[in-house]
Amino acid sequence: DAGVIQSPRHEVTEMGQEVTLRCKPISGHDYLFWYRQTMMRGLELLIYFNNNVPIDDSGMPEDRFSAKMPNASFSTLKIQPSEPRDSAVYFCASSLYGYTGELFFGEGSRLTVL
Amino acid sequence: KNEVEQSPQNLTAQEGEFITINCSYSVGISALHWLQQHPGGGIVSLFMLSSGKKKHGRLIATINIQEKHSSLHITASHPRDSAVYICAALTGNQFYFGTGTSLTVIP
Repeated sequence: DAGVIQSPRHEVTEMGQEVTLRCKPISGHDYLFWYRQTMMRGLELLIYFNNNVPIDDSGMPEDRFSAKMPNASFSTLKIQPSEPRDSAVYFCASSLYGYTGELFFGEGSRLTVL
Repeated sequence: KNEVEQSPQNLTAQEGEFITINCSYSVGISALHWLQQHPGGGIVSLFMLSSGKKKHGRLIATINIQEKHSSLHITASHPRDSAVYICAALTGNQFYFGTGTSLTVIP
């Protein structure tokens, strides 16, 4: 299997623009997680899905952030409008057994908002 | 106060040394994960444990539920072990991350 695939790997955009990050989980994994990592706050869980359904989005910072999982092989994290404080590395991870199983991380998407 | 505390924050070791990274948590947990983040940024899950001890190659993870403490040990450390090691405590559906321990192993 190719592992968890994220795109883009790097994104530089201007404040106010819409940003869409994409994730393809490992086939057969029922859980998908979106994390954000910054120097100040470390790793933070934003949202996770089970069988394409959002289970816990309490980590989503504000209404500018939204996440969808239209099918088992694809998820998006959208920021609209983007702000400089959204600059971070966004990781997607998938798992067969949720948190009680091994997590498989993508390479991350490094977002810079100018 | 952070729910998960790691120590040390930074660690430099000579190749071959035995290394211990500590993780203490204040919440009741159902599982604890150890993650490794390489300088390039990629994250790899090393261990998930809820009791006792697990071993994988030169890496050993232990957890003491009563003391709310976990340790990650690296035997015969190697420069390729240089990375940030992050512990993450799972309680219910909440995942609390430590701030990470940055390890540098010098040849």
